[in-house]
Amino acid sequence: NAGVTQTPKFQVLKTGQSMTLQCAQDMNHEYMSWYRQDPGMGLRLIHYSVGAGITDQGEVPNGYNVSRSTTEDFPLRLLSAAPSQTSVYFCASSYGTVNTEAFFGQGTRLTVV
Amino acid sequence: GENVEQHPSTLSVQEGDSAVIKCTYSDSASNYFPWYKQELGKRPQLIIDIRSNVGEKKDQRIAVTLNKTAKHFSLHITETQPEDSAVYFCAASEGFQKLVFGTGTRLLVSP
Repeated sequence: NAGVTQTPKFQVLKTGQSMTLQCAQDMNHEYMSWYRQDPGMGLRLIHYSVGAGITDQGEVPNGYNVSRSTTEDFPLRLLSAAPSQTSVYFCASSYGTVNTEAFFGQGTRLTVV
Repeated sequence: GENVEQHPSTLSVQEGDSAVIKCTYSDSASNYFPWYKQELGKRPQLIIDIRSNVGEKKDQRIAVTLNKTAKHFSLHITETQPEDSAVYFCAASEGFQKLVFGTGTRLLVSP
């Protein structure tokens, strides 16, 4: 049981490049989400999904796309990377949509130069 | 939308002392209040949570209190140990797992 797995752990991008951060969970959780963590700002919700085929925007969605074709996977796409997207990204999953413990992945540290 | 404020931003205590971290929230519809601990370079992990139908919850050296009228909740750690040193985040949610986090408290426990 691996829990929530994110890849890659580290990434450096040039401004304007695109990339996909991968997130997979093996706990059969319905709810998955992406957060970004910046110094002094806590974790902010980017996008979330309450089940396969359903996604919605969080607090800071601009510049990011998501899709949820399977229960297990929830990739985050950066369309055209900007220095303001330099951050640590965390994927999380939870059982059900009623509030329960969120399990986080190990994070992806992204630097945009 | 929901807004969560957390204080203090840093907290230094001596081993064995108690530590208290306080959070306030703005949306009276919020009904779930978890606390996460994040060690340096690691992922956040849930340490305790409380729902709006409960005023206090305790788990060994950790306790959380909730005052719905005042819209604030607090984390209490007793008999602190060096391994309690970490960043602690409070969060609030009105449902559907949409957590709004505070900005974090860096706790340093000195031996």
